Amino acid sequence: AQSVTQLDSHVSVSEGTPVLLRCNYSSSYSPSLFWYVQHPNKGLQLLLKYTSAATLVKGINGFEAEFKKSETSFHLTKPSAHMSDAAEYFCVVSDKTSYDKVIFGPGTSLSVIP
Amino acid sequence: DAGVTQSPTHLIKTRGQQVTLRCSPKSGHDTVSWYQQALGQGPQFIFQYYEEEERQRGNFPDRFSGHQFPNYSSELNVNALLLGDSALYLCASSLSAGPGGQYFGPGTRLTVL
Repeated sequence: AQSVTQLDSHVSVSEGTPVLLRCNYSSSYSPSLFWYVQHPNKGLQLLLKYTSAATLVKGINGFEAEFKKSETSFHLTKPSAHMSDAAEYFCVVSDKTSYDKVIFGPGTSLSVIP
Repeated sequence: DAGVTQSPTHLIKTRGQQVTLRCSPKSGHDTVSWYQQALGQGPQFIFQYYEEEERQRGNFPDRFSGHQFPNYSSELNVNALLLGDSALYLCASSLSAGPGGQYFGPGTRLTVL
């Protein structure tokens, strides 16, 4: 069975400082992993995805994530936070053997302090 | 490319009523999935449609049903509405043969009074 754990329900950073949002997953098969962002009263936007190619994945808006199989982790990072990064972030695992059924983590709310 | 579109954006119903939500997938996508997102929670998978059939289903009662049309658009129907059905309903589309990753619409906010 697949599952996703996001270790922090809320993260607060100062503008211009690094962002780290943590995600651990459990999957019986080689998973695909994604990060989505949801701004208030908006839909979900795909930030980046890992699908068994390079383990360091670059996404939009300066975000990147590294797939570490030994640690079953897929943490999201950004070198320098911007005010517009304040949003809810979801780590997602999917298994191609089950037709892309996806499991969402509970989400991490990111606040950026000016 | 209009991306994934959903209608209506907001909806208010009373307990016991029935509701239909609509979704048009991103151009070129053939698979549509529906999610329920309660306030303050992550989206929960309801079901997925491919080739006009329900391919897989999450842990939702039979009151939740759907349909996919030949043009890949989809409907979500909920019967006998409960207060607990109040949520944001998200539609996502993907390409079945693709590398993975779903594109989400803006959602329909359903309020049950």
